[in-house]
Amino acid sequence: KNEVEQSPQNLTAQEGEFITINCSYSVGISALHWLQQHPGGGIVSLFMLSSGKKKHGRLIATINIQEKHSSLHITASHPRDSAVYICAVRSYPGTYKYIFGTGTRLKVLA
Amino acid sequence: DGGITQSPKYLFRKEGQNVTLSCEQNLNHDAMYWYRQDPGQGLRLIYYSQIVNDFQKGDIAEGYSVSREKKESFPLTVTSAQKNPTAFYLCASRPLMQAGPIQPQHFGDGTRLSIL
Repeated sequence: KNEVEQSPQNLTAQEGEFITINCSYSVGISALHWLQQHPGGGIVSLFMLSSGKKKHGRLIATINIQEKHSSLHITASHPRDSAVYICAVRSYPGTYKYIFGTGTRLKVLA
Repeated sequence: DGGITQSPKYLFRKEGQNVTLSCEQNLNHDAMYWYRQDPGQGLRLIYYSQIVNDFQKGDIAEGYSVSREKKESFPLTVTSAQKNPTAFYLCASRPLMQAGPIQPQHFGDGTRLSIL
């Protein structure tokens, strides 16, 4: 079993839909990172959080430390949101190691 | 603009040949990382470095080597000992701060390596 599990693996949505991607982890962490990987392969950091909730534009990330679970929400989805979304955790205690999920491939249809 | 530059974007290697992937950052970050990405798998750590002239093996270091002679540069050499080098390679960097919130990693655009 992977230490970081994402669901779903693949997701197709219609433009305008509300989207949720889930991440569960089984290790102690100091922070959780949501990343977006575009078709060309480059990766962009979306959020890094260790508690609570963060919002940036149409993106919202939440984390529940007790349940070892995080969600990434996209409101009013758009075709340009089509990408692979990756959850990564920074393991704790103190290493500089990140453990990555396998990603959720999102396709938003116009 | 500050960022991480990886080159080349595509690289082809013949059997038995060593190749070096370049990673340069102008973010003044202390730590740099090399990851390998294969289809259906999460990124796996090859090597990382927290300061100049020091680096540590990650989970899959066999068949790879690195150097960190300058803060801004962290090249990765894929040696002939790496039996399955075809993959997508990503470089990342992060500042190391003694206090304040943990800083996220910044990633390059990657290099896709293929065997001829």
